[in-house]
Amino acid sequence: QSVLTQPPSVSAAPGQKVTISCSGSSSNIGNNDVSWYQHLPGTAPKLLIYDNKKRPSGIPDRFSGSKSGTSATLGITGLQTGDEADYYCGTRDTILRTGVFGPGTKVTVL
Amino acid sequence: EVQLVQSGAEVKKPGESLKISCEGYGPFFTSNWIAWVRQMPGKGLEWMGIIYAGDSDTRYSPSFQGRVTISVDQSIRTAYLQWSSLKASDTAIYYCARQETSITGTTPYFDHWGQGTLVTVSS
Repeated sequence: QSVLTQPPSVSAAPGQKVTISCSGSSSNIGNNDVSWYQHLPGTAPKLLIYDNKKRPSGIPDRFSGSKSGTSATLGITGLQTGDEADYYCGTRDTILRTGVFGPGTKVTVL
Repeated sequence: EVQLVQSGAEVKKPGESLKISCEGYGPFFTSNWIAWVRQMPGKGLEWMGIIYAGDSDTRYSPSFQGRVTISVDQSIRTAYLQWSSLKASDTAIYYCARQETSITGTTPYFDHWGQGTLVTVSS
């Protein structure tokens, strides 16, 4: 049972936009930065966003991140079939004193 | 180029011991924390624990404390995850990941991941 909450799934047609929410509390998102990861089955997870909204080199600007209070959001615009994957938010929890991941959100391109 | 290369898939029986590895390639290692992350079948990512390769300082998630041991051998740039007595519920894919923190940030993230090691525990 994660301390972070994400919707189990989101979907949209190719070219459209999806947003994925990640909700937490003051012990995690509220006082820490958030990162986002893309995970395709059978492959290593990939870092998409760190420090709430920064993209590593090589990550297209179709992916964006934001944070407000105890919630964070990942946005994907211009949805492509290759974007079908599970997406996880991550941060640190200062009460648990560990890193934490959200339960994951499956993105489906209709 | 930074790479983490994990050992191959394992099939074990309940009660057996196991040690899986994660070797680091590239201009890093002793100045980084290396984490282990579990993914059980059909489930999400779980943070298990982390080790600082420079001095072996180790932290565990309460969920995994006492169940696994994380270690590192600096001389061969390799981190390990081991079990002394496996259970069927340990069946999962285990990933190692390099933890980083940006110059302007305060919260670490995982910027490089190993390819994963599938551990199957079955009688």
